[in-house]
Amino acid sequence: KAGVTQTPRYLIKTRGQQVTLSCSPISGHRSVSWYQQTPGQGLQFLFEYFSETQRNKGNFPGRFSGRQFSNSRSEMNVSTLELGDSALYLCASSPRRQGHSLNEKLFFGSGTQLSVL
Amino acid sequence: LAKTTQPISMDSYEGQEVNITCSHNNIATNDYITWYQQFPSQGPRFIIQGYKTKVTNEVASLFIPADRKSSTLSLPRVSLSDTAVYYCLVVINNAGNMLTFGGGTRLMVKP
Repeated sequence: KAGVTQTPRYLIKTRGQQVTLSCSPISGHRSVSWYQQTPGQGLQFLFEYFSETQRNKGNFPGRFSGRQFSNSRSEMNVSTLELGDSALYLCASSPRRQGHSLNEKLFFGSGTQLSVL
Repeated sequence: LAKTTQPISMDSYEGQEVNITCSHNNIATNDYITWYQQFPSQGPRFIIQGYKTKVTNEVASLFIPADRKSSTLSLPRVSLSDTAVYYCLVVINNAGNMLTFGGGTRLMVKP
C-alpha cells in the first residue's frame, strides 16, 4: 500500500496570504488528522476528520480550517498567514472506525514545510 | 492544566537499554497511550501502543502503571540507528477529546 502523501513538500508565502495543503491518506483509512510542528511548541494537534466531518479539534484559531472529501483525501487551509504560522504541517491517517479510540495507530506523511515571510 | 511531559534529551551507548518516561496527569480514562519515533525531515513513526500494564513488540516495551499517569518506553540494546526524537501521545479529555503529544525526548546513541 502507498503511504500517506502530502503536497506540496515546501511552500513559501507572505504575511496575509492564505494557503491550502493537501493530504492523501492510505487507501481504506477514513480518519485524517492534521498537526503543526514547530521547534518552540513541538507537535500540536489541529483537527481530525472522519467520513467528511470534523470530529475532534485542537486549540487553534479559526484561521485554521480543513475539509475531507468523499475519497478521504483532506485539505487544510490557513487564512491570513502570520509569521508564527511557519511550521512543518503533518497529516496522518488511521484505520480508526467510528466510535473507536482517537488514539488509534497513526500513519504520518513527511509533511509540508511552510515558511511565512 | 493538563500537561504531558518528557525529558528533553537522553544520551546512551550502543547495546544499552534506554527507558524514557512520559508523565500525563489528565489522560482520558478509556484511551491508548502511544509512542512514536521521528527522524529529521520525516513524519513520526509508530513504535508501540498500550492501555495498561505491559506491552511488548519486536522493537520495544511499554510499561503503564495502574493509575496511568505515566508511561515508560523501553528500548532494549539500542543501536546508532535509534538516534531520534521519541514522543508519547495520549488523549486528554478537556472539553472534548484532544490528542496531546509530549514535548519529545531527543535520544543520542553513541558508539
